[in-house]
Amino acid sequence: GENVEQHPSTLSVQEGDSAVIKCTYSDSASNYFPWYKQELGKRPQLIIDIRSNVGEKKDQRIAVTLNKTAKHFSLHITETQPEDSAVYFCAASIGANYGQNFVFGPGTRLSVLP
Amino acid sequence: NAGVMQNPRHLVRRRGQEARLRCSPMKGHSHVYWYRQLPEEGLKFMVYLQKENIIDESGMPKERFSAEFPKEGPSILRIQQVVRGDSAAYFCASSPSGAGANVLTFGAGSRLTVL
Repeated sequence: GENVEQHPSTLSVQEGDSAVIKCTYSDSASNYFPWYKQELGKRPQLIIDIRSNVGEKKDQRIAVTLNKTAKHFSLHITETQPEDSAVYFCAASIGANYGQNFVFGPGTRLSVLP
Repeated sequence: NAGVMQNPRHLVRRRGQEARLRCSPMKGHSHVYWYRQLPEEGLKFMVYLQKENIIDESGMPKERFSAEFPKEGPSILRIQQVVRGDSAAYFCASSPSGAGANVLTFGAGSRLTVL
């Protein structure tokens, strides 16, 4: 089955710097890769996603890159702000005729220091 | 659209009691997923259901745990004879139907505390 690894587990950056979180997956059939942000005590919320037919996607200060050959994808946050502090989860999904399932990485706790 | 609705938000049970957690998916979504999250840990997949069908329950403990998603009404995660180790946040998520439907939307979670 699919296995998703995520690094680093914790990350501290100064406000205004960039943050990069990397994930690898094992199943080459995975075709969709979302990223979720979870603030303390709240639900995970989708912040950006990428499909397997695209190599890069950007939304304002957030971008995601995908390398299908190497089976890894990364989240890039530029000009970090204190409100970016949260736990970030990557995920990989495997589609099938009946639907799909999602496997999540263990999470990265990002702290943006003012 | 009310989003994914979970209740109760907080549930306290004594060891040996039963816990029932409910999840109503987003309007138009027919796929429901349950995840368990321990404090300071990640999201552990438990079960994936469609209406009246369990698609994948590979993450669910074989004993005491069960899930259903009936034709009418919410999906229910049931934990019998709860133990302290069951204390966690249980998140439900839903997605639209169809192959490659993607986009998983989470509910606010149900926090179970076992005394």
